[in-house]
Amino acid sequence: EVQLVESGGGLVQPGGSLRLSCAASGFTFSSYEMNWVRQAPGKGLEWVSYISSSGSTIYYADSVKGRFTISRDNAKNSLYLQMNSLRAEDTAVYYCAREGGSIFALDAFDIWGQGTMVTVSS
Amino acid sequence: IQLTQSPSSLSASVGDRVTITCRASQGISSYLAWYQQKPGKAPKLLIYAASTLQSGVPSRFSGSGSGTDFTLTISSLQPEDFATYYCQQLNSYPRTFGQGTKVEIK
Repeated sequence: EVQLVESGGGLVQPGGSLRLSCAASGFTFSSYEMNWVRQAPGKGLEWVSYISSSGSTIYYADSVKGRFTISRDNAKNSLYLQMNSLRAEDTAVYYCAREGGSIFALDAFDIWGQGTMVTVSS
Repeated sequence: IQLTQSPSSLSASVGDRVTITCRASQGISSYLAWYQQKPGKAPKLLIYAASTLQSGVPSRFSGSGSGTDFTLTISSLQPEDFATYYCQQLNSYPRTFGQGTKVEIK
């Protein structure tokens, strides 16, 4: 079964750090581009970051640039999001999502994890 | 690129034909996807490349458009279709989403 499972969320104080993980299974992880998307409570979806299949190309939303770092370990079939200098407005459910991309002729996020909640509060 | 969905919410009955529009602030060719999200669940891909139905998605869902104007249509609304729908552009970064359209039961 194709699956993404996030972990690492929790309660953190403003200014703190957290590292999210996303474990992939059921597909060739190293062939796919990956993304992080977040959703604040009661709000819409916000794209956070992208990483290419090899990890050589990375993009960030302006709202997290300089504070968040996306990375992947293809040998471990895992995606990561290091979040530093966290703010109250970073409170959200964080999803990892697979992107088919041009290689698979599927420019969309076709597989999503169940999400992990990050709460930034004192 | 900003995406504006309309309406923000709508009430409809089972069997109704429902249309949701998504307008991009600049041309995005056909790099548009539609997702369905139910409360407490992850989004689910319905349509990509503006009009290609994702595998396993019922044929009552359809998408159209290119450039700046796009439409998601549900031909005959079913009870399981009551959810929030989002469009997303994949033409450039940042990969923006529309603000969502909540489809509620009338």
